[in-house]
Amino acid sequence: QQQVRQSPQSLTVWEGETTILNCSYEDSTFDYFPWYRQFPGKSPALLIAISLVSNKKEDGRFTIFFNKREKKLSLHITDSQPGDSATYFCAASETGFASALTFGSGTKVIVLP
Amino acid sequence: DMKVTQMPRYLIKRMGENVLLECGQDMSHETMYWYRQDPGLGLQLIYISYDVDSNSEGDIPKGYRVSRKKREHFSLILDSAKTNQTSVYFCASRRTRVSYEQYFGPGTRLTVL
Repeated sequence: QQQVRQSPQSLTVWEGETTILNCSYEDSTFDYFPWYRQFPGKSPALLIAISLVSNKKEDGRFTIFFNKREKKLSLHITDSQPGDSATYFCAASETGFASALTFGSGTKVIVLP
Repeated sequence: DMKVTQMPRYLIKRMGENVLLECGQDMSHETMYWYRQDPGLGLQLIYISYDVDSNSEGDIPKGYRVSRKKREHFSLILDSAKTNQTSVYFCASRRTRVSYEQYFGPGTRLTVL
């Protein structure tokens, strides 16, 4: 049972466009939602995160929008750059010291110049 | 500079052989994790360790065991490796009660023939 779902599986955009990545979850106990970015051949690294108390989180060109009622999140990357080409993972967990992340299957983004 | 190390980076083993993957971190992080990453499946949690000799099964523990005798070291052991354990294995660590961010090591690519 996949508790965190991502769509699309892959996405190609042109430089300068806005990239939109989608994520949904099922477990109502999840209250922390990080996005990790993984470049080819590298390890995942935290990009941006949001908790249940917020509807939106911005960090430069990256913004998370959160619809708690529908259990859906989206990551928007404005002015996409070729250097943004990577796989993006949505994850979720409960807060608490014993928490573990449940990862989605990822969205591979290619930004063409 | 926070760092998680993994050894070896690449490993080829024959089916039935024992495998030892090592992970180290120099940040005194209490919590450490082992994940495997397969194409299209994202990161799947194998084991989580909350501190020395305090380990819990993750989502896919079958065929694996772990050892944590020092806070900075966390080992993943495959007794009698199987071909379906061919994967990329990532170790991660987190400073419990301070942050939910997980820091990932560079990964070990394991091939079981």
